[in-house]
Amino acid sequence: EIVLTQSPDFQSVTPKEKVTITCRASQSIGSSLHWYQQKPDQSPKLLIKFASQSISGVPSRFSGSGSGTNFTLTINSLEAEDAAAYYCHQSSSLPITFGQGTRLEIK
Amino acid sequence: QLHLQESGPGLVKPSETLSLSCTVSGGSISCNGCYWGWIRQPPGKGLEWIGSIYHSGSTHYNPSLKSRVTMSVDTSKNQFSLKLTSVTATDTAVYYCARPIPPGLAPNDNWGQGTLVTVSS
Repeated sequence: EIVLTQSPDFQSVTPKEKVTITCRASQSIGSSLHWYQQKPDQSPKLLIKFASQSISGVPSRFSGSGSGTNFTLTINSLEAEDAAAYYCHQSSSLPITFGQGTRLEIK
Repeated sequence: QLHLQESGPGLVKPSETLSLSCTVSGGSISCNGCYWGWIRQPPGKGLEWIGSIYHSGSTHYNPSLKSRVTMSVDTSKNQFSLKLTSVTATDTAVYYCARPIPPGLAPNDNWGQGTLVTVSS
């Protein structure tokens, strides 16, 4: 089973700041890494697919990069509405797995 | 626009079977390349993939749950279902049904709202 480890687990940030969340895979997964945002009491929302591909309707301040075992989600110019948990997710091999999540708090 | 809606009991007794259905509207469950999945999230914790099913009935299960999970599809009702046997308190979670972007098992771009299932006597 591929283990995804996110860092940090929690981050408190101010609006307009740039935020970087990393996801490390226990073995190479190519670009089969996706990112979700989950706000309290809501279903997860797909932000980025296949490491760096954008999703229609997702603000352009969200971007992804990486390949192999190291991946990054970047949020440029953070907004108050970005307060949420963020999860990475791999589909390279079964079982499909998720990172443990990163909770973002807006100061 | 595709809409998924989970339904089923919100309370299940320990050792019994959890049964949930997901009704798909705004699209056909038999669409080419479309898998349908179940993901769960214990309160305050992260996401866990339970498994996925194709409209033909072909399934992929998480090995950690495989011995207790059965998924099925009813194309006449545009529904797919989850059964989890011998539940314990650790199966208490919000259960989501979801559809990945075709083809393939992930990523999921359509999710149900989720349904909380509590295992308790």
